[in-house]
Amino acid sequence: AQSVTQLGSHVSVSEGALVLLRCNYSSSVPPYLFWYVQYPNQGLQLLLKYTSAATLVKGINGFEAEFKKSETSFHLTKPSAHMSDAAEYFCAVSTRYSSASKIIFGSGTRLSIRP
Amino acid sequence: ETGVTQSPTHLIKTRGQQVTLRCSSQSGHNTVSWYQQALGQGPQFIFQYYREEENGRGNFPPRFSGLQFPNYSSELNVNALELDDSALYLCASQPKGLAGEKMDEQFFGPGTRLTVL
Repeated sequence: AQSVTQLGSHVSVSEGALVLLRCNYSSSVPPYLFWYVQYPNQGLQLLLKYTSAATLVKGINGFEAEFKKSETSFHLTKPSAHMSDAAEYFCAVSTRYSSASKIIFGSGTRLSIRP
Repeated sequence: ETGVTQSPTHLIKTRGQQVTLRCSSQSGHNTVSWYQQALGQGPQFIFQYYREEENGRGNFPPRFSGLQFPNYSSELNVNALELDDSALYLCASQPKGLAGEKMDEQFFGPGTRLTVL
């Protein structure tokens, strides 16, 4: 069975500071991993995805994530936070071999940016 | 290219009523999944439709049902609404590969906010 754990339901950083959102996964088969962002009253937008190619994945809006199999982690980072980054972020895992490729989401991390 | 669209955007129902939510998948996508996102939580998988048949289901009771049409659009039906059904309902579509198989990446619509009173 697959699962995702996001450490920290709320993260607050100053504008211009490093953003680090933590995600650990559990999967019995090689996973596909995703980070999605959700702005207030909107749906989910894909930030980036890991599909067993390069372990360092670059996404939109300057975000990137590194897949570390030994640590079962897929943390999301951005070197310099911008006010527009304030949103809810979800880490997710997708099963690759099941007939229904459902996505299992973490509980989310709310990112706040201080001026 | 048009993305995933959902209708209506907001809906208010009372307990015991029935509701139908609609989703139009992105062009070229043959798989549609539905998720329920309660306030302050991550989305939970309801079920998936592939080539007009249910292709997997999460931990939701039978009063949650769906349909997929030949143009890959989809409906989510919920009968006998309960207060706990109040949530944002998200539809997501998946692209198909060169051989027509479904790919893993899912693209989400803006959701339908359902309030049950």
